[in-house]
Amino acid sequence: EAGVAQSPRYKIIEKRQSVAFWCNPISGHATLYWYQQILGQGPKLLIQFQNNGVVDDSQLPKDRFSAERLKGVDSTLKIQPAKLEDSAVYLCASSLALGSGGSPLHFGNGTRLTVT
Amino acid sequence: AQSVTQLDSQVPVFEEAPVELRCNYSSSVSVYLFWYVQYPNQGLQLLLKYLSGSTLVESINGFEAEFNKSQTSFHLRKPSVHISDTAEYFCAVSKAGTASKLTFGTGTRLQVTL
Repeated sequence: EAGVAQSPRYKIIEKRQSVAFWCNPISGHATLYWYQQILGQGPKLLIQFQNNGVVDDSQLPKDRFSAERLKGVDSTLKIQPAKLEDSAVYLCASSLALGSGGSPLHFGNGTRLTVT
Repeated sequence: AQSVTQLDSQVPVFEEAPVELRCNYSSSVSVYLFWYVQYPNQGLQLLLKYLSGSTLVESINGFEAEFNKSQTSFHLRKPSVHISDTAEYFCAVSKAGTASKLTFGTGTRLQVTL
């Protein structure tokens, strides 16, 4: 099966600019996640979707970050305006279903964002 | 809330030597436990998981981990490592019986040399 697709792979922007990342999950996976992985740290969940609804966005900095999954398939994550501390790898993951207990996450290769 | 501690940020080891990567968790409820591996410039891949049943779980490439409830640990072991095992290893925890919301540790870099 095709894996989780993410684009772009790399992005360099200046602070205060905006940026968007795209994710296409594995076909049939209802649950989609965006994680932020800062260098030297483990991934941190930003937002979790079940189909096109938000399940958890408690750690999303909503003053500058937004995400959508309008048709319950692809998703975009946007940062506007970017800050230096947003430099990180943004990982998208998908899993079969919410509440299926231990349903493994499948991760994309990530987008490496550098804010200068 | 759940948390994970990986005390070792880096573990250097010679090829064919045994290795143990330590993971301790904190939770007031029952948990599921996972080990993910991240090769350079790639996303995370599930290595193995503990949901219930046998406390010893194994992966297809020779790794194993043992769930120890009394010590709140889920250490990862391999009796003989290969150069290709060089990667970042993340321990993760989620509440049992719920959605797959994972909390990750900070990772352990396993560096295998000849």
